[in-house]
Amino acid sequence: GAGVSQTPSNKVTEKGKYVELRCDPISGHTALYWYRQSLGQGPEFLIYFQGTGAADDSGLPNDRFFAVRPEGSVSTLKIQRTERGDSAVYLCASSSTGISPLHFGNGTRLTVT
Amino acid sequence: DQQVKQNSPSLSVQEGRISILNCDYTNSMFDYFLWYKKYPAEGPTFLISISSIKDKNEDGRFTVFLNKSAKHLSLHIVPSQPGDSAVYFCAARNAGNNRKLIWGLGTSLAVNP
Repeated sequence: GAGVSQTPSNKVTEKGKYVELRCDPISGHTALYWYRQSLGQGPEFLIYFQGTGAADDSGLPNDRFFAVRPEGSVSTLKIQRTERGDSAVYLCASSSTGISPLHFGNGTRLTVT
Repeated sequence: DQQVKQNSPSLSVQEGRISILNCDYTNSMFDYFLWYKKYPAEGPTFLISISSIKDKNEDGRFTVFLNKSAKHLSLHIVPSQPGDSAVYFCAARNAGNNRKLIWGLGTSLAVNP
């Protein structure tokens, strides 16, 4: 498909475990974003990549969260020592430039038990 | 503190009538506003946007109005269709950091046949 692809669609993990969430952006899109959406809330910004570099990681809640985009395409959001409060839908979006409207994937629903 | 506010969590309208979704904001540095639509288990989909230098933007059945002095915008859908039933998010971009969107909590619209 031509859209943003996120895997897995659902992830259940135990408290304290490590998880990786993957995002395949639309081909050719240089800007990639991670957002987090908790129940009843709007999406909350986590990090923005322009190419391979994290241009703005001010939304990452703490140092347990880290994201990479080594070749400027696929991105992985990594969460160490997961906590129950990390449970949310993690949304990835891409855009052709940093300011054009975002195209979102369907998200990964993370549940920490 | 919620910089983008959607004070109506839900709205119900009859098919064929007008749907009006409202959004208020507090930050005068916001220079660009977007509306996204979200179906269950899917990511948000871009609908329409407006720059702060305009007061109206129209795209088919969707029109967004911006009142800068009141820091208020609204999305009009006319005529409403059952397929419009979804959660609508208002989002704003800060001129000083135009990579990050600030989102409202969303309004759930139900269009009844």
